[in-house]
Amino acid sequence: AQSVTQLGSHVSVSEGALVLLRCNYSSSVPPYLFWYVQYPNQGLQLLLKYTSAATLVKGINGFEAEFKKSETSFHLTKPSAHMSDAAEYFCAVRGNNAGNMLTFGGGTRLMVKP
Amino acid sequence: DADVTQTPRNRITKTGKRIMLECSQTKGHDRMYWYRQDPGLGLRLIYYSFDVKDINKGEISDGYSVSRQAQAKFSLSLESAIPNQTALYFCASSGVDGYTFGSGTRLTVV
Repeated sequence: AQSVTQLGSHVSVSEGALVLLRCNYSSSVPPYLFWYVQYPNQGLQLLLKYTSAATLVKGINGFEAEFKKSETSFHLTKPSAHMSDAAEYFCAVRGNNAGNMLTFGGGTRLMVKP
Repeated sequence: DADVTQTPRNRITKTGKRIMLECSQTKGHDRMYWYRQDPGLGLRLIYYSFDVKDINKGEISDGYSVSRQAQAKFSLSLESAIPNQTALYFCASSGVDGYTFGSGTRLTVV
């Protein structure tokens, strides 16, 4: 079985500050890990994914995430928050289950203060 | 046109009514999925389909049914809607290029 835990359902940062969204996973097999973003009234958009290549993954909009096997973590970061980053972010894991379905974390809503 | 299209975008229905949510995709993907999103719970899998003849229950299939009418079409039905089925529903398809999600259907059961 696989699962994802996102610490902090709401995170608030000031514009220009560091963004750190936490994700821990459990998986019985080497996982594929994903971060998705959901803007208001929209579907999910892929930010980045880890597929067992480089442990530091760069995504769109200046986001990146680092896979740390020893900590079973895949935290999402961005050096400087922008107002347009305000959205909900989901971490997901895809293991070796039948059909390779995604299992999602509970989501983190990011608020950016001016 | 969107790669994955869901209709309707919003729907309010009464308890006990039957309702169908529709999904179509132009990605040419074989695999399609229905998820529901609830605050704090993320997205949970309701049903998934590997192809037209293969349909499987997901984590929370009770109270739902699906139909895969064609490779491109996958509909979700609530036979007798209840208020705790109020949620945001997402359809997705997947292939070698990854997952593509629709924009969601916001369903309210009153």
